Amino acid sequence: EAGVAQSPRYKIIEKRQSVAFWCNPISGHATLYWYQQILGQGPKLLIQFQNNGVVDDSQLPKDRFSAERLKGVDSTLKIQPAKLEDSAVYLCASSSTPPSTDTQYFGPGTRLTVL
Amino acid sequence: AQKVTQAQTEISVVEKEDVTLDCVYETRDTTYYLFWYKQPPSGELVFLIRRNSFDEQNEISGRYSWNFQKSTSSFNFTITASQVVDSAVYFCAAGDSNYQLIWGAGTKLIIKP
Repeated sequence: EAGVAQSPRYKIIEKRQSVAFWCNPISGHATLYWYQQILGQGPKLLIQFQNNGVVDDSQLPKDRFSAERLKGVDSTLKIQPAKLEDSAVYLCASSSTPPSTDTQYFGPGTRLTVL
Repeated sequence: AQKVTQAQTEISVVEKEDVTLDCVYETRDTTYYLFWYKQPPSGELVFLIRRNSFDEQNEISGRYSWNFQKSTSSFNFTITASQVVDSAVYFCAAGDSNYQLIWGAGTKLIIKP
C-alpha cells in the first residue's frame, strides 16, 4: 500500500514570496491533516479535512495560509506571502477516521526555508 | 487529552544498552488513545504503536515494549538492546473525544556505537 506522498521535499524562498505544497493521502483515507513542525518542537496542527470539508482550522494563520482539498483526495497548502518564521517542516498526514479513533500516517514532509 | 509531557529532552546511551522513554499525559476523558511515533533524521514521522485507554495490556514487539499505567497516567516506551539505527526523536501523542491529537515535545535519543 502506498504511503502519504508529498512534494516538493525541499523549498527555499525569500520572504514575501509565495509557496505551495502538495499532498496525496493514503488511498481511501477520508481525513487529511496539515501540520507545521518547527525545529525542536512537536507537530502543530494547521488544518484538518474530512473528505473535502474543513473540520478544524483554528490554528491556521488565515491571513497568509490557505489550504484546499477540492475533490476529497489530494490537497494543497499555500503560504502567501511567506515570513521568516514560516521556516519549518510541513507534514501531511492521513487517517481513515478522526485522530482520536484511528492512527495518522505521515508523509516525508516538505522542508521550507524562508530567507 | 489536554497535555502530554515528555520530560526527557535528550537521552544518550551506548549501543546495546536498554533505554526507556517517558511519557505522561493529562486528560479529563475516560476514553482516549495514546501513540508513539519515531522521527529519524530523514524527517518522516513513523507510527510505532497505538494504545486505547480501555486496553491496559502492555505489549512487546521485538526489541520494543510499552508500559501503559493508568494509575500514574504514563505510557512509557522501552528499547531493549538499542542499536545505532534507533537514533531518532521519539514523540508521544494522545487523542481524545475532541478529535485533537496532542503531541509531546519529543525526546531525542542518541545511540552511540
